[in-house]
Amino acid sequence: GNSVTQMEGPVTLSEEAFLTINCTYTATGYPSLFWYVQYPGEGLQLLLKATKADDKGSNKGFEATYRKETTSFHLEKGSVQVSDSAVYFCALSNQGGKLIFGQGTELSVKP
Amino acid sequence: DTAVSQTPKYLVTQMGNDKSIKCEQNLGHDTMYWYKQDSKKFLKIMFSYNNKELIINETVPNRFSPKSPDKAHLNLHINSLELGDSAVYFCASSQDRGSPRYFGPGTRLTVL
Repeated sequence: GNSVTQMEGPVTLSEEAFLTINCTYTATGYPSLFWYVQYPGEGLQLLLKATKADDKGSNKGFEATYRKETTSFHLEKGSVQVSDSAVYFCALSNQGGKLIFGQGTELSVKP
Repeated sequence: DTAVSQTPKYLVTQMGNDKSIKCEQNLGHDTMYWYKQDSKKFLKIMFSYNNKELIINETVPNRFSPKSPDKAHLNLHINSLELGDSAVYFCASSQDRGSPRYFGPGTRLTVL
């Protein structure tokens, strides 16, 4: 079946540190991959996505590359800010609209 | 302006009661969804409607019944609430049948 596994949180970083949140997936066929962000007290927002192998999604300084050979879609940012503190969800979609989410990774950025 | 709104934000109720959660989106999107997030923050789709037509219906108890009076609204009615229904319920929307772009702020349901 389809599944997504993310690294356990919480992840605590200092401002301007480099961020990596690991995400690996299991899927049949060729899924689309997504990162969503949930800021405190808010709903999820789509952060970035990639629809085929070797695609790189990017937004707000965050990047993730669709790696079919390692079935991964790791989220990276070169320099995090306090305002990036949130829960990040990796997800895949193999059928229109039906997202399979990872368990979420909480990020806390300290000044 | 709020893109996807839900009411109420918090809902505390007794086992056996019937309750509804309302969702509205002002984005003009054709597709709306309900997701359930459990205590470990694991999110799972429950239902999806496209232009008032049910297109995704996951294996949820039939105590849960979605209703879409128009494409801007997707309400969730839950009968005979059980302790295990306690969770945060998120409404979401997308322009087409692709994956949701915007989620509502969530409704935290607590069943006592």
